[in-house]
Amino acid sequence: NAGVTQTPKFRVLKTGQSMTLLCAQDMNHEYMYWYRQDPGMGLRLIHYSVGEGTTAKGEVPDGYNVSRLKKQNFLLGLESAAPSQTSVYFCASSYLGLGEAFFGQGTRLTVV
Amino acid sequence: GENVEQHPSTLSVQEGDSAVIKCTYSDSASNYFPWYKQELGKRPQLIIDIRSNVGEKKDQRIAVTLNKTAKHFSLHITETQPEDSAVYFCAARKAGGGNKLTFGTGTQLKVEL
Repeated sequence: NAGVTQTPKFRVLKTGQSMTLLCAQDMNHEYMYWYRQDPGMGLRLIHYSVGEGTTAKGEVPDGYNVSRLKKQNFLLGLESAAPSQTSVYFCASSYLGLGEAFFGQGTRLTVV
Repeated sequence: GENVEQHPSTLSVQEGDSAVIKCTYSDSASNYFPWYKQELGKRPQLIIDIRSNVGEKKDQRIAVTLNKTAKHFSLHITETQPEDSAVYFCAARKAGGGNKLTFGTGTQLKVEL
């Protein structure tokens, strides 16, 4: 049982480049979330999804897009990366948003 | 939206002492309050949680208390050990709107030998 898996674990981008982060969960959870973690700022919600085909904005959605084409996958896209998007990104999932949220191992992204 | 404040940002204790981390929340409709532990370079992991219909919950050396009237909740760790050193995050959630968790800014706990 892998839980929540993120790909890639590390990435360096140049300003203006694009990339997609993949989150996959094998727990059959309906709800999935993307957070970014910056020093001294905790975990801030970027986007979330309450089921296949649905997405919604969180606290800090600007510069990011998401898609949930399959229940087990939640993709986070950066169309034109900026240095301000340098961060550690965490994906999480939970059963109907109730109880424990399970986190992936994180993706460390550096935009130069 | 919900706002969660967490204090202190850093906490240093001697091994065997107790540690207390406090959080306040703004939305009285919040009904679920988890605590996550994050070791360096690792993912956050749930260590204990409490729901709004309970005032206190304990799991071995860890306990959480909730005061709904004052809108604050606290994490208590007794008999601290070096492996308790980590960053601890509190969070609050209310039903609806994706059942989103709003996190505090974290407390770096260091347990010194």
